[in-house]
Amino acid sequence: NAGVTQTPKFQVLKTGQSMTLQCAQDMNHNSMYWYRQDPGMGLRLIYYSASEGTTDKGEVPNGYNVSRLNKREFSLRLESAAPSQTSVYFCASTHGGGTVPLEQYFGPGTRLTVT
Amino acid sequence: GQQLNQSPQSMFIQEGEDVSMNCTSSSIFNTWLWYKQDPGEGPVLLIALYKAGELTSNGRLTAQFGITRKDSFLNISASIPSDVGIYFCAGPSSGTYKYIFGTGTRLKVLA
Repeated sequence: NAGVTQTPKFQVLKTGQSMTLQCAQDMNHNSMYWYRQDPGMGLRLIYYSASEGTTDKGEVPNGYNVSRLNKREFSLRLESAAPSQTSVYFCASTHGGGTVPLEQYFGPGTRLTVT
Repeated sequence: GQQLNQSPQSMFIQEGEDVSMNCTSSSIFNTWLWYKQDPGEGPVLLIALYKAGELTSNGRLTAQFGITRKDSFLNISASIPSDVGIYFCAGPSSGTYKYIFGTGTRLKVLA
């Protein structure tokens, strides 16, 4: 199993450009998440999808949109990138509750710089 | 809201020493997760705990789920240079699908 994969690994954008970060998991997990991590800071939740077909805002959703394409894939879109969105973006997934394990697994991250 | 406080914030230790760190919450958690994050990498799950009092090992790492369900502990025995990184605790926020993350303990090992 590859676990959680993210593409691209690195990206440089100019202010105002748009892009989509891709995330996929092969663990048959129900829930998927997007976080950002700024230098020396903790993880902040941008959006999450508790199950296929649902998405909800997290702590810092402004400037982002998400799509839960299917059970495996959850993408994050920046419509008009701003320098404040320079960060490392992590995707994560988990079974999502009930009696199943609640371990959350992370992808390797996408390092985004907006100039 | 729920918060997780970790201590110490950072520590320097000599190679071969044992390390202890802890995570405390103002409210009860039903699951405790411990992660390690290396520079430039994503967090890697080390240990998951599901029951109060549970003690679980993963190689040189041992974690415990506190009896009050408001704390958890991580011990690393005989530290080696590759143990360097940031360790943080986490747990699912009660009644939601969101996770709460600790503030992290930055570990530096002196060879």
